[in-house]
Amino acid sequence: QKEVEQNSGPLSVPEGAIASLNCTYSDRVSQSFFWYRQYSGKSPELIMSIYSNGDKEDGRFTAQLNKASQYVSLLIRDSQPSDSATYLCAVKGTGGFKTIFGAGTRLFVKA
Amino acid sequence: KAGVTQTPRYLIKTRGQQVTLSCSPISGHRSVSWYQQTPGQGLQFLFEYFSETQRNKGNFPGRFSGRQFSNSRSEMNVSTLELGDSALYLCASSLGLAASDEQYFGPGTRLTVT
Repeated sequence: QKEVEQNSGPLSVPEGAIASLNCTYSDRVSQSFFWYRQYSGKSPELIMSIYSNGDKEDGRFTAQLNKASQYVSLLIRDSQPSDSATYLCAVKGTGGFKTIFGAGTRLFVKA
Repeated sequence: KAGVTQTPRYLIKTRGQQVTLSCSPISGHRSVSWYQQTPGQGLQFLFEYFSETQRNKGNFPGRFSGRQFSNSRSEMNVSTLELGDSALYLCASSLGLAASDEQYFGPGTRLTVT
């Protein structure tokens, strides 16, 4: 079982719609969760971090965390073609544990 | 504040050679992690350094090594290059080792082994 799992996609949504990206993780002691966006040929860019159960909103982005279900998601409202990229979920535990990345979900926003 | 910088950006080497990649973290960041990214394997963790000490290591052969200097700058070295080492090598820096410390990536070094 992979430590951090994401649907590889591609996920295709029309412009203006809500894109929902999901991630599950296997290590129950995981403490911190991060979403990165990576455009083709570029390096990952941090979008959001979330540490507590519930929702965290930042502009058009909302991260949702459910530690009991070992599930974290990213919602992108009013999706734009410029949001087309690969979205990476990352998980980190305590005590100096390394950050584990999922394989990423490719998102296409159709104009 | 300047971001993470990596040099060189592109590199072409021949099988059997060795290569050294450099990473300068964001000012004030003391932790540096290295990752290998390939289309088939995604982002694979290589190692993490903090205060000049390797704190974590991924599942890579001993040909991959690294170090960190007192100014937090880091280098990674790959000896006896193989074709499969062709990849994007990414460096990420963070304030420290706390779980909440966010990692910020540099632009990467694209290594091609022929």
